[in-house]
Amino acid sequence: AQKVTQAQTEISVVEKEDVTLDCVYETRDTTYYLFWYKQPPSGELVFLIRRNSFDEQNEISGRYSWNFQKSTSSFNFTITASQVVDSAVYFCALSRSGATNKLIFGTGTLLAVQP
Amino acid sequence: ETGVTQTPRHLVMGMTNKKSLKCEQHLGHNAMYWYKQSAKKPLELMFVYSLEERVENNSVPSRFSPECPNSSHLFLHLHTLQPEDSALYLCASSQVIGRGGSGNTGELFFGEGSRLTVL
Repeated sequence: AQKVTQAQTEISVVEKEDVTLDCVYETRDTTYYLFWYKQPPSGELVFLIRRNSFDEQNEISGRYSWNFQKSTSSFNFTITASQVVDSAVYFCALSRSGATNKLIFGTGTLLAVQP
Repeated sequence: ETGVTQTPRHLVMGMTNKKSLKCEQHLGHNAMYWYKQSAKKPLELMFVYSLEERVENNSVPSRFSPECPNSSHLFLHLHTLQPEDSALYLCASSQVIGRGGSGNTGELFFGEGSRLTVL
């Protein structure tokens, strides 16, 4: 069975702090994809990143970075120098290869960045 | 026009009412989805439509009835709902490469959701 666990329900930080959102996944597939989505207060989910299981290279995009470790089945997301606009719910998701349109989501982490 | 538009944004209905949620995508995608987002639960995939054909129904009760008249529009018809059906219903679209509704896609584009409250 496939499952995504985001153990952190809520995180509160002060602006300019770094914050890491944890994501642990379970799958028996050897090939799979991992995703992060952001859900601001307006409601729509915004795609942030997709990684396939063969690519363990860490990725950095501006203040965002992702650490994929197959050995621990984790795909953690770090925001450097957080800003108030980063306040949102962040979802980690998993899909099978060949069906990346069918996402299995975690329960999300609510990030509140205080000014 | 934003990519995926959902109406209404908020809906309050009684258990005996019949209402519909509407979703429209302006991205030229070939697949559309309904997700349910309840408090403290992961998003649940309800229905997948690929090329206007329903290809997945994840054990959703029959009081939810989807309709996809064309590749740009998706409806969710609601009737005799229960209070536990109160949730945020999210529509999404994507371009799928593959058969039978399963395939690889760059990303899903979501609407802002319809917040449903069942009294």
